[in-house]
Amino acid sequence: DTEVTQTPKHLVMGMTNKKSLKCEQHMGHRAMYWYKQKAKKPPELMFVYSYEKLSINESVPSRFSPECPNSSLLNLHLHALQPEDSALYLCASSQEGRGGGEQFFGPGTRLTVL
Amino acid sequence: AQTVTQSQPEMSVQEAETVTLSCTYDTSESNYYLFWYKQPPSRQMILVIRQEAYKQQNATENRFSVNFQKAAKSFSLKISDSQLGDTAMYFCAFDVAGGTSYGKLTFGQGTILTVHP
Repeated sequence: DTEVTQTPKHLVMGMTNKKSLKCEQHMGHRAMYWYKQKAKKPPELMFVYSYEKLSINESVPSRFSPECPNSSLLNLHLHALQPEDSALYLCASSQEGRGGGEQFFGPGTRLTVL
Repeated sequence: AQTVTQSQPEMSVQEAETVTLSCTYDTSESNYYLFWYKQPPSRQMILVIRQEAYKQQNATENRFSVNFQKAAKSFSLKISDSQLGDTAMYFCAFDVAGGTSYGKLTFGQGTILTVHP
């Protein structure tokens, strides 16, 4: 199984809502990533978890809160978002959090903040 | 810090023809990896090809091959016998080798490739 799954596919939320994005992989990968992608732009790295520990936080605002409950699961908790946070949120995983490994991407969650 | 530049925002090619996408990068690292990722209109990004900097031989994957010029810091992607399914946005990406990078990729701005029938 070489698949990264993400739920939900689409999410519309108001600025006062709290919601969560979920990402799952069953490839035994030990590194997982959250990216934010605007239309026709490259993905921007937000967070990296390596062996279930937060290894990189790219100065992301605190209204985004990542969580890695176990090696297969990655969540992104959202609270008090702004309209400019509307984007495609991609999850990815790789075998280890080392340079050079292939990253497997999920299909993304299309987030709209009203 | 690393930078990756893709100078062709959009390209088009006829089915069955060959097209080359350009990528240049800048780094002071001696050991690194370069990638081409493809993101079709359905949005799921997949790896096309990977090159290790210390390997002089250019990587190939079926119809996809690279021209890696380390001294010139150039990493172009050649797609032979283009197919309609090759229509996608292509990203060139850089990663430092070793454990300290945590797989943090530096992406170029992307090239939208359209294959016409």
